[in-house]
Amino acid sequence: EVQLVQSGAEVKKPGESLKISCKASGYSFTSYWVAWVRQMPGRGLEWMGIIYPGDSDTRYSPSFQGQVTMSADKSINTAYLQWSSLKASDSAMYYCARRQGFDPWGQGTLVTVSS
Amino acid sequence: QAVVTQEPSLTVSPGGTVTLTCDSSTGAVTSGHYPYWLQQKPGQAPRTLIYDTSNRHSWTPARFSGSLLGGKAALTLSSAQPEDEAEYYCLLSYSGVGVFGGGTKLTVL
Repeated sequence: EVQLVQSGAEVKKPGESLKISCKASGYSFTSYWVAWVRQMPGRGLEWMGIIYPGDSDTRYSPSFQGQVTMSADKSINTAYLQWSSLKASDSAMYYCARRQGFDPWGQGTLVTVSS
Repeated sequence: QAVVTQEPSLTVSPGGTVTLTCDSSTGAVTSGHYPYWLQQKPGQAPRTLIYDTSNRHSWTPARFSGSLLGGKAALTLSSAQPEDEAEYYCLLSYSGVGVFGGGTKLTVL
């Protein structure tokens, strides 16, 4: 079964760093782009960017360039999204999805940033 | 960055037909934007119904169809069912960078 499984919910303080993960199984991880999508509470979907795990090529949406870092570890079929200094406005649900056909989607990781 | 616009809300009667549209601020939507349509129900991850304008995934009911209509991408739902009540998002690609529409809240009533 082709699936993406994301890491669990996180509660952090402003200024802290965070790295969330998206583990792929059931397909060739290095052959397909992986997308990251943000959904703030009660709001719509936002495209953050994509990464090609085969060579870690990344393409960021202008809105997220410099705000987050996408990476991938081919040895464990896992993509990552990280922040060096969280803000309260980073509180959201974050989804990963295989770019081709936008399928499958991960179950989402809820990030809460609060002092 | 391009802006993708959808109807904020639509209502359809059970058994009825409704068309949702997806407009691009840069001009006509074409197959080169590789339009996607996604469905999201409360508390759930999105699920992709249509990709590359009109292709259904294996789980997509045949009552959903995608097309290009009057310079926009369109999702037509025929014979609407109560379980089709959800938020629907379109996604367009601009040289590899995606932009989501704001979503259409579809009520089946």
